[in-house]
Amino acid sequence: EVQQVESGGGLVQPGGSLRLSCVVSGFSFSTNWMTWVRQAPGKGLEWVANMNEDGTEKNYVGSVKGRFTISRDNAKNSLYLQMNSLRADDTAVYYCARLASRSIDYWGQGILVTVSS
Amino acid sequence: DVVMTQSPLSLPVTLGQPASISCRSSQSLVHSDGNTYLDWFQQRPGQSPRRLIYKLSKRDSGVPDRFSGSGSGTDFTLKITRVEAEDVGVYYCMQGTHWPQIFGQGTKLEIE
Repeated sequence: EVQQVESGGGLVQPGGSLRLSCVVSGFSFSTNWMTWVRQAPGKGLEWVANMNEDGTEKNYVGSVKGRFTISRDNAKNSLYLQMNSLRADDTAVYYCARLASRSIDYWGQGILVTVSS
Repeated sequence: DVVMTQSPLSLPVTLGQPASISCRSSQSLVHSDGNTYLDWFQQRPGQSPRRLIYKLSKRDSGVPDRFSGSGSGTDFTLKITRVEAEDVGVYYCMQGTHWPQIFGQGTKLEIE
């Protein structure tokens, strides 16, 4: 059974930082692209960042470039999202998901990040 | 980036009746490898998204056959032959042909 369990969310003040983690099991993590997708309260889905199998290729949505960093540790089957200089409009549920054949097939349960003073 | 436009944004449907959701892309989604990377996702209230359809028309395992995907180029459709109560939620299209993947705005299906 595939499982992707996110952690590290919570309440943070504007300008603060958080690091999200996603531990994966049930498939070969080291041979798959991974992605972070977010969903603001009551809104739609927004792609945030992608990373290839060995971490040498990363892509970000324009609104987070320079503030967020995606990374992975294949030995720990883990994906990360370091979020700095957080803003109120970063408030969202963040999903860790697998990218396979240009599609997203497995999603985590999501973790809530709230940026507020 | 490619823009994905869904319609309608709200879809009230009577139980047992068909439903159809449209998704249009600003560029053709036919990839150079011949595939059309257009997916459909269902998000039930309080749940993570779940993929229903990938590569335009391929149904995921466990997805009822009342769901089908079709279309070509820039115009795509998700059809539900007979809506059931468990189909309530928001449906999203997503393109994967042009990097990065982009989602439509979502269509909220509700029972009348």
